[in-house]
Amino acid sequence: KNEVEQSPQNLTAQEGEFITINCSYSVGISALHWLQQHPGGGIVSLFMLSSGKKKHGRLIATINIQEKHSSLHITASHPRDSAVYICAVSGQETSGSRLTFGEGTQLTVNP
Amino acid sequence: DSGVTQTPKHLITATGQRVTLRCSPRSGDLSVYWYQQSLDQGLQFLIQYYNGEERAKGNILERFSAQQFPDLHSELNLSSLELGDSALYFCASRGTGGNTIYFGEGSWLTVV
Repeated sequence: KNEVEQSPQNLTAQEGEFITINCSYSVGISALHWLQQHPGGGIVSLFMLSSGKKKHGRLIATINIQEKHSSLHITASHPRDSAVYICAVSGQETSGSRLTFGEGTQLTVNP
Repeated sequence: DSGVTQTPKHLITATGQRVTLRCSPRSGDLSVYWYQQSLDQGLQFLIQYYNGEERAKGNILERFSAQQFPDLHSELNLSSLELGDSALYFCASRGTGGNTIYFGEGSWLTVV
């Protein structure tokens, strides 16, 4: 079993729909990251969370530390949101903050 | 632009060869991380350097090595290349003040 599990693996939506991507983890963490990877390959950090909720534009990320679960929401989705969304956690080990990644969610938003 | 620079962007080489991937972190960031993204294994942590010293090691093969220089740029050396080493190699940096990690654009390595 992977330490970080994402669902769904693939998601197709119509423009304007509300989207939720879920992430569960099984290890102690210092932070959880939501990343976005576009077809060109580059990775952009969207959020870094250690508790509660964060919002940036149409994106909202929440985390429940007790349940070891996080969600990424996209409101009023747009075709430009099409990308792979990756959940990653920073472990509690004292040496560094390496990331352990989920397998990613491929999101396609159709016009 | 994340501020993390990786070169080369694309590289095609033959099996058995050796390549060096280069990374310049964001100005002032002391930590550099190397990650490998392959089709069959997804994103995996390879190695981390902090201010010139190795800080943590992940699933890095013995054929691979890395170092961080006094100017904080880092190099990942891949030797005796195999077809399975074909992947996208990312470098990321992290500042001392926070936990946000910034990724470079990646180096696409194709071994033929």
